[in-house]
Amino acid sequence: GAGVSQTPSNKVTEKGKYVELRCDPISGHTALYWYRQSLGQGPEFLIYFQGTGAADDSGLPNDRFFAVRPEGSVSTLKIQRTERGDSAMYLCASSLDSQETQYFGPGTRLLVL
Amino acid sequence: AQKITQTQPGMFVQEKEAVTLDCTYDTSDQSYGLFWYKQPSSGEMIFLIYQGSYDEQNATEGRYSLNFQKARKSANLVISASQLGDSAMYFCAMKRGTGAQKLVFGQGTRLTINP
Repeated sequence: GAGVSQTPSNKVTEKGKYVELRCDPISGHTALYWYRQSLGQGPEFLIYFQGTGAADDSGLPNDRFFAVRPEGSVSTLKIQRTERGDSAMYLCASSLDSQETQYFGPGTRLLVL
Repeated sequence: AQKITQTQPGMFVQEKEAVTLDCTYDTSDQSYGLFWYKQPSSGEMIFLIYQGSYDEQNATEGRYSLNFQKARKSANLVISASQLGDSAMYFCAMKRGTGAQKLVFGQGTRLTINP
């Protein structure tokens, strides 16, 4: 079956621009997670959804970051007024609510020039 | 707060040898889960193995086993008979409770398998 997919795989933008990163979870997975991974570091939690609602958004660094999951499936991470420090790998994962394991997508590499 | 510590930034091992990657954790929770993920240079995080805090047996998945020592708060990954394809970054992670919760990751260990 299909795994988690993320688009685009790479995104280059200029400082100050707006970007959207998309995540399509494994079919039937109710929980969806976003993480950010800077070079040489482990992933850091941003936000996770149970169905359509954000169950925990404590990892969002500031109000320039926002995520939605309007129909409980695909999610979009939105970054306004991008800064060079936003450059990182953005990873999405999904899981069945009752299961322990999160399955990750291939990530989106964001570069802000 | 939960914390994961991986003290080995890099490991070099000969092909076919066994290798142990260290992971210690800190939590005040009684119920938690421990995970290992592999990240090749392509970037995707690949799930390897899971251990629940109440599991009495060490988890095993093929060539991977998790050496869980609860009193010492350690969850080391053992890879038997290493292969060239095992070269990658390896991350230890934990989450609190059961079901859907965020993962807290360590800094990772870069494993290189030499032929």
